[in-house]
Amino acid sequence: AQSVTQLGSHVSVSEGALVLLRCNYSSSVPPYLFWYVQYPNQGLQLLLKYTSAATLVKGINGFEAEFKKSETSFHLTKPSAHMSDAAEYFCAVSGYSGTYKYIFGTGTRLKVLA
Amino acid sequence: GAVVSQHPSRVICKSGTSVKIECRSLDFQATTMFWYRQFPKKSLMLMATSNEGSKATYEQGVEKDKFLINHASLTLSTLTVTSAHPEDSSFYICSARGRKSPYEQYFGPGTRLTVT
Repeated sequence: AQSVTQLGSHVSVSEGALVLLRCNYSSSVPPYLFWYVQYPNQGLQLLLKYTSAATLVKGINGFEAEFKKSETSFHLTKPSAHMSDAAEYFCAVSGYSGTYKYIFGTGTRLKVLA
Repeated sequence: GAVVSQHPSRVICKSGTSVKIECRSLDFQATTMFWYRQFPKKSLMLMATSNEGSKATYEQGVEKDKFLINHASLTLSTLTVTSAHPEDSSFYICSARGRKSPYEQYFGPGTRLTVT
């Protein structure tokens, strides 16, 4: 069985400040982990993914995430927030347990303050 | 690579009518396609999984007679909302998975359905 918990449904940061969005997962099989961003009335855009290679994953738009097995975490960070980062962020876990379904977290809405 | 399209991007239909949404993988063969529904300010809810040439597998609580899914080819899946009602209004997103990376899904841009 798999599950994802995103702590903080709303996160506000000042422009230029560090962005930290939290994601903890549970998985009985080796996990694949993903972060997606969604802008209003749009689909999901992949930011980055962990596929059992490097534990520190760099993605688009300056985002990165570190897979920590001992903490079952895959937190998303960006050193300096930009106004255009304001959006909804989803963490998802996948893994083979008969199928590769995604389990999504509940999402975190990031607000960037000028 | 790995582009998924959806058509239409938004549709308005009258209560009682049916509406079809298409999902296409443009540059790869999709062995599996997924259909999600997203309520306002909520996460994605998986409705069903479809493999090419076989019947869709619906998640618990999803009415298979209301949400008809067809995956006739390796690049096309359709979702038909039958006898639509205002409560079916939602954002529908499809995704597709190929052979190369079976653990990863590629998402379409979504379809906004409004039933009046």
